Amino acid sequence: GEDVEQSLFLSVREGDSSVINCTYTDSSSTYLYWYKQEPGAGLQLLTYIFSNMDMKQDQRLTVLLNKKDKHLSLRIADTQTGDSAIYFCAEESGGSYIPTFGRGTSLIVHP
Amino acid sequence: EAGVTQSPTHLIKTRGQQATLRCSPISGHTSVYWYQQALGLGLQFLLWYDEGEERNRGNFPPRFSGRQFPNYSSELNVNALELEDSALYLCASSDSSYNEQFFGPGTRLTVL
Repeated sequence: GEDVEQSLFLSVREGDSSVINCTYTDSSSTYLYWYKQEPGAGLQLLTYIFSNMDMKQDQRLTVLLNKKDKHLSLRIADTQTGDSAIYFCAEESGGSYIPTFGRGTSLIVHP
Repeated sequence: EAGVTQSPTHLIKTRGQQATLRCSPISGHTSVYWYQQALGLGLQFLLWYDEGEERNRGNFPPRFSGRQFPNYSSELNVNALELEDSALYLCASSDSSYNEQFFGPGTRLTVL
């Protein structure tokens, strides 16, 4: 079955880079997503990558995809306190239009 | 442009009661998705409505049901509430490309 795994917590110092990792099991994944959830809010789509891409960069965000290892990562450069949130990795496969989400990684940014 | 809205923000019910949660999609979006986010778990897909029809259903019992109205707003109904139904229920909408889902702030359901 489909499964998306993420570590639960990550703590970084303000100004450092954060790297949030995710692994998935479905080899037919088409889209891979990163969402951000701030306290008391819904999910906000940060970025997504097609499975035929290796990397995508968008300002401070860099997504790396290793399709062979089924590993996805999100790098946030110059992490700020406003980046503190829960980050969800999700994958969608086979035209289902329904992403499968990981449990989320809580990013804590301290001064 | 208004985002996805959900009501109520919070809902407190007792075991055995029924809960009704509402969602209004972004204007122009025809698809509405419902997810359950229980404490410590990721989002679990519940239901997908598109153009008034149920397109897909997650692995939840039949007491979770819903509908989509002609104006594309949607309702999620949970019958015979159980303590384990306590969770944040998120609604999302998308246009007919289905590529990107936009989420509402959620309804926090507490079952006592």
